[in-house]
Amino acid sequence: DVKVTQSSRYLVKRTGEKVFLECVQDMDHENMFWYRQDPGLGLRLIYFSYDVKMKEKGDIPEGYSVSREKKERFSLILESASTNQTSMYLCASSPRLAGGPNEQFFGPGTRLTVL
Amino acid sequence: GEDVEQSLFLSVREGDSSVINCTYTDSSSTYLYWYKQEPGAGLQLLTYIFSNMDMKQDQRLTVLLNKKDKHLSLRIADTQTGDSAIYFCAESPWGSSNTGKLIFGQGTTLQVKP
Repeated sequence: DVKVTQSSRYLVKRTGEKVFLECVQDMDHENMFWYRQDPGLGLRLIYFSYDVKMKEKGDIPEGYSVSREKKERFSLILESASTNQTSMYLCASSPRLAGGPNEQFFGPGTRLTVL
Repeated sequence: GEDVEQSLFLSVREGDSSVINCTYTDSSSTYLYWYKQEPGAGLQLLTYIFSNMDMKQDQRLTVLLNKKDKHLSLRIADTQTGDSAIYFCAESPWGSSNTGKLIFGQGTTLQVKP
């Protein structure tokens, strides 16, 4: 079974704090993704990585950065948390397949509240 | 750019059929997907359809694809209370085979009343 784990289910931080969200997958997947999920807006891609040390901006990268030093781990960093970053954060991973469907495997999510 | 649109809410009675609709803009999408998110959990792939197919059936699920209108639907027969969840439509945008990138819709919350 593919397993994607996220470091926390719930997190409460103060405005201006630096926040680290960690994601680990155990299936040797090349691709990893960070999304935020907000009611009525669905999933919006923040950043993704298709290899170690490689990263690409998604649709809403402002205010976020990422790190991928090891294949299994993809970290999302909020350099200075703001209240509009209160959201559910979902991590996903997928294998690199030539020509096949892009199935992504998701973690359970981290609900972040910034006060 | 690529876009995927869904209605936000659907309510049905237990035992009825549910039909969730989705429209997309990228005509070069090779695969289209339906993901399910149960309360308190991440998304899980429910089914997918290759772009050269019109229909795919898997037990109670039927996926219909109209490429001309860029319209995808998911029909759940004999809907049960356990089907209550958020359903996301997604597409693989052009050039995404190496990165695995998907474009998701807003999600449709399915409420099943007993």
